[in-house]
Amino acid sequence: RKEVEQDPGPFNVPEGATVAFNCTYSNSASQSFFWYRQDCRKEPKLLMSVYSSGNEDGRFTAQLNRASQYISLLIRDSKLSDSATYLCVVNPGPGGYNKLIFGAGTRLAVHP
Amino acid sequence: GAGVSQTPSNKVTEKGKYVELRCDPISGHTALYWYRQSLGQGPEFLIYFQGTGAADDSGLPNDRFFAVRPEGSVSTLKIQRTERGDSAVYLCASSLGGGSRNEQFFGPGTRLTVL
Repeated sequence: RKEVEQDPGPFNVPEGATVAFNCTYSNSASQSFFWYRQDCRKEPKLLMSVYSSGNEDGRFTAQLNRASQYISLLIRDSKLSDSATYLCVVNPGPGGYNKLIFGAGTRLAVHP
Repeated sequence: GAGVSQTPSNKVTEKGKYVELRCDPISGHTALYWYRQSLGQGPEFLIYFQGTGAADDSGLPNDRFFAVRPEGSVSTLKIQRTERGDSAVYLCASSLGGGSRNEQFFGPGTRLTVL
């Protein structure tokens, strides 16, 4: 079983749609959680950190459920520029504080 | 300011050859990381440096892979006797310090192709 699992997609949605991605992680000791965005043939960039209480940044909302070991990302009012791969990322905590474990990513394509 | 830079951007080599990939971190960042990203996958951790020392090399796949950071800034990832399976994008990242609270900033990567 992979440490971080995501639905690969692609998710094809029209502009203005709301889309949600989920991710599960296997290590219950994991400490920190993130969503990164990666455009085609570019480097990953931090989109947002994910906190237990849930957090929002504009059109983006991230939530963490530690009991179920899953993380979600909600994008409201999708824009063409949101088209990218979204990577679910976990810091594994003890024994691995300084590494990031990435899921394989979920591809989003927003069309006019 | 300048971000993380990596050279070369592309490297094509033949099976069995030796390659070196270079990373220039953001100035002042003490932590440096190497990851490898294969097609259709997320980046996979290789090694972490804090200053000049490799604090965690648990992700290096085998002893053909080695990395150095002699002056605590620039790092070089070295791959001996390359194999076709080594073909991937090699990403370098840096952060102000180690630990999960410091954002890792990634470079554009070096695309390695082993023929």
